[in-house]
Amino acid sequence: DAGVIQSPRHEVTEMGQEVTLRCKPISGHNSLFWYRQTMMRGLELLIYFNNNVPIDDSGMPEDRFSAKMPNASFSTLKIQPSEPRDSAVYFCASSPTSGRTDTQYFGPGTRLTVL
Amino acid sequence: AQSVTQLDSQVPVFEEAPVELRCNYSSSVSVYLFWYVQYPNQGLQLLLKYLSGSTLVKGINGFEAEFNKSQTSFHLRKPSVHISDTAEYFCAVSVTGGGNKLTFGTGTQLKVEL
Repeated sequence: DAGVIQSPRHEVTEMGQEVTLRCKPISGHNSLFWYRQTMMRGLELLIYFNNNVPIDDSGMPEDRFSAKMPNASFSTLKIQPSEPRDSAVYFCASSPTSGRTDTQYFGPGTRLTVL
Repeated sequence: AQSVTQLDSQVPVFEEAPVELRCNYSSSVSVYLFWYVQYPNQGLQLLLKYLSGSTLVKGINGFEAEFNKSQTSFHLRKPSVHISDTAEYFCAVSVTGGGNKLTFGTGTQLKVEL
């Protein structure tokens, strides 16, 4: 299996621009998670989906952030407008089911820099 | 609410020496505990997890962890580390009533030196 695929791997943009991060989960996995990692705040869960339905978005920082999962094989995280404080590594992860014991499989991450 | 505390932000150790990375959890109900490793410029990957049964859990790359309910701990150990073990290690807990999301600790940077 190819694992979780994220694109782009690196993104540099200017403040105010729209940014879209993409994720393809492992085929057959039913849960998908979006995380943000920074030195200051560590690893934070932004939102997660089960069977394409958003379950918990309490970690989404503010209305500038939105996430969608239109089908089982694709998800996007959008930031509009972007700000320098959004600079971070964004990870997508998937797990086979919605069970508490499942392993989460992480993608390689997207390093976002907002100038 | 459940949470995990990783007491050490950095742990330097010489190659072939033993290492212990500490993790304490807080929970009033049963928990599932995980250790993940993040190598430089990569995503996290599972080292091991405790679900039930034997309190000593063996994982990949020679790592093991012991679940201690009385001390609410889940420390990670390796008897002899290698340079390639240099990475950041995260302890995580599955949250009761929180669906299948994980709460991660702040991470411990293990640096193995020659």
